[in-house]
Amino acid sequence: GAGVSQSPSNKVTEKGKDVELRCDPISGHTALYWYRQRLGQGLEFLIYFQGNSAPDKSGLPSDRFSAERTGESVSTLTIQRTQQEDSAVYLCASNRLAGSSYNEQFFGPGTRLTVL
Amino acid sequence: AQSVTQLDSHVSVSEGTPVLLRCNYSSSYSPSLFWYVQHPNKGLQLLLKYTSAATLVKGINGFEAEFKKSETSFHLTKPSAHMSDAAEYFCVVSYYNQGGKLIFGQGTELSVKP
Repeated sequence: GAGVSQSPSNKVTEKGKDVELRCDPISGHTALYWYRQRLGQGLEFLIYFQGNSAPDKSGLPSDRFSAERTGESVSTLTIQRTQQEDSAVYLCASNRLAGSSYNEQFFGPGTRLTVL
Repeated sequence: AQSVTQLDSHVSVSEGTPVLLRCNYSSSYSPSLFWYVQHPNKGLQLLLKYTSAATLVKGINGFEAEFKKSETSFHLTKPSAHMSDAAEYFCVVSYYNQGGKLIFGQGTELSVKP
């Protein structure tokens, strides 16, 4: 079946502009996660959604970052007034069982964001 | 805060020789532990996972990892490296009381020389 998909694959923007990144999880996966990977570093957790519960936003680095998810489907990550330090690969992952630490998370290919 | 430390940022081995990538995690509750691999310009792929069953975990492509609670370690090994193993490897921890979010190490770049 189809895996996690993300769009766009690459995004170049100017400092100060807003950007919106999209994630389509695997069908039936109730949990959805966003991570950020800066150049040469590991992934940083940003936010996760589990079913209809309130999202865990504890990893969002500033109030310029926000995310939404419609039911158990598509999610969008929005970065307002982008800064150069926001340049990174943004990865989305989903897994079948909401909130479980035991189930594998399936990752999308990522969106490479470059802020000039 | 919960964390995971990969002790080497870069490891270089010759093809056919053993691979050892080291990982330590902060001790708290009962962790789930994972190793993910990231090949250049490709997505993250799960190599193996430990979830409180057998302490020696076998994964794909001949990789293994052993969970040692007393040492809070989860080192990744492979008896014989192959050129295709060259990639970035991430040790990852997850805790049941944190909703399944993954905490990544900084990564170890594995180079394999012919």
